[in-house]
Amino acid sequence: DIVMTQSPDSLAVSLGERATINCKSSQSVLYSSNNKNYLAWFQQKPGQPPKLLIYWASTRESGVPDRFSGSGSGTDFSLTISSLQAEDVAVYYCQQSYNTPYTFGQGTKLEIK
Amino acid sequence: QVTLKESGPALVKPTQTLTLTCTFSGFSLSTTEMRVNWIRQPPGKALEWLARIDWDDDKFYSTSLKTRLTISKDTSRNQVVLMMTNMDPVDTATYYCARAYGGQFDAWGQGTQVTVSS
Repeated sequence: DIVMTQSPDSLAVSLGERATINCKSSQSVLYSSNNKNYLAWFQQKPGQPPKLLIYWASTRESGVPDRFSGSGSGTDFSLTISSLQAEDVAVYYCQQSYNTPYTFGQGTKLEIK
Repeated sequence: QVTLKESGPALVKPTQTLTLTCTFSGFSLSTTEMRVNWIRQPPGKALEWLARIDWDDDKFYSTSLKTRLTISKDTSRNQVVLMMTNMDPVDTATYYCARAYGGQFDAWGQGTQVTVSS
């Protein structure tokens, strides 16, 4: 199974500041045939299901604010929120869909400083 | 509009078999590349992928749970069923179903809470 490791486990950032969450996979999730990284980012608020933010490592899902961006390739990825808003307080998960069994990171809890 | 809804018992006893149903609308599981997944989340813990069924009836399971899981679909009723045998208190969790079209989990149900207790 591919192991997904996020860092940090928790993060406190001031409103309007940048927040960056990292995700590392135990093996590459880049498909050479189409040059796509099968890495997604989800946001989960209390009592709600996860919400897809980013797929293919850097493609923003429709309706997601452009302050959210994803980057990286191969085994190392990042989710960046350029200017933190109060509504961004949540737990964030990375997930690989390169192969089954699909796996998620352990989650990063983002709070306001 | 794509919607998914999980249903099943809120409480099961240890050793019993859990049967969950995902009823969806807004898409067809007979469409090429369409998939439905089950994911669970114990209280206060991370997401764990359980199983996937594809438009062509291919099935995939979690490595650690594959001996206990069975996934099936009823395309005409727009339903996917997950069965998990030999339930244990550690299986207490919220269980979600999610659509995957093109690879990404782009639509999720609200989840159903399952408690395993005698």
